Amino acid sequence: DVKVTQSSRYLVKRTGEKVFLECVQDMDHENMFWYRQDPGLGLRLIYFSYDVKMKEKGDIPEGYSVSREKKERFSLILESASTNQTSMYLCASSYPSGGGGTDTQYFGPGTRLTVL
Amino acid sequence: QKEVEQNSGPLSVPEGAIASLNCTYSDRGSQSFFWYRQYSGKSPELIMSIYSNGDKEDGRFTAQLNKASQYVSLLIRDSQPSDSATYLCAVIFPSGYSTLTFGKGTMLLVSP
Repeated sequence: DVKVTQSSRYLVKRTGEKVFLECVQDMDHENMFWYRQDPGLGLRLIYFSYDVKMKEKGDIPEGYSVSREKKERFSLILESASTNQTSMYLCASSYPSGGGGTDTQYFGPGTRLTVL
Repeated sequence: QKEVEQNSGPLSVPEGAIASLNCTYSDRGSQSFFWYRQYSGKSPELIMSIYSNGDKEDGRFTAQLNKASQYVSLLIRDSQPSDSATYLCAVIFPSGYSTLTFGKGTMLLVSP
């Protein structure tokens, strides 16, 4: 079974703090993704990575950065947390697109971040 | 512009009925389509993927794809109260990367 884990289920931070969200997958997937999910806005892609040390901006990268030093680990960084970054953060991983099910994304349990 | 459209619902069906969930997408060149189920407070879990026109069945679930109409649907037969959740349609648009674009989801309520 694919397993994607995230470092925290719930996190409370103060405005201006630097926040690290960690994601680890055990399926040797090349691709890893960070999303945020907000009521009425759905799931939105923040950043993704298709290889170690490689990263690409998603639809809403502003205020975030990422790091991928090892294949199995993908970190999301909020350089200076703001209240509008209060959200559910979801990590996912997959193989590269090739059809036939290899591009299925598997999600971690999510981190609910509250910024006060 | 990458767009995936779903009715937000809620779609209410009685136990044992067929639930029909629909999704349209904006790029006719898309090749990979997914249905995820998300219970309240939980992360999305994959129900089905579909890549070819026609029907694909897995137990009580049937995904239907019509690329010419840019339409994908999910049928749930013999709906159970445990099927009550939000169903997310997701599409990989042709961009060179395997990034998913999600619809906002349809909430399904199955009443006993």
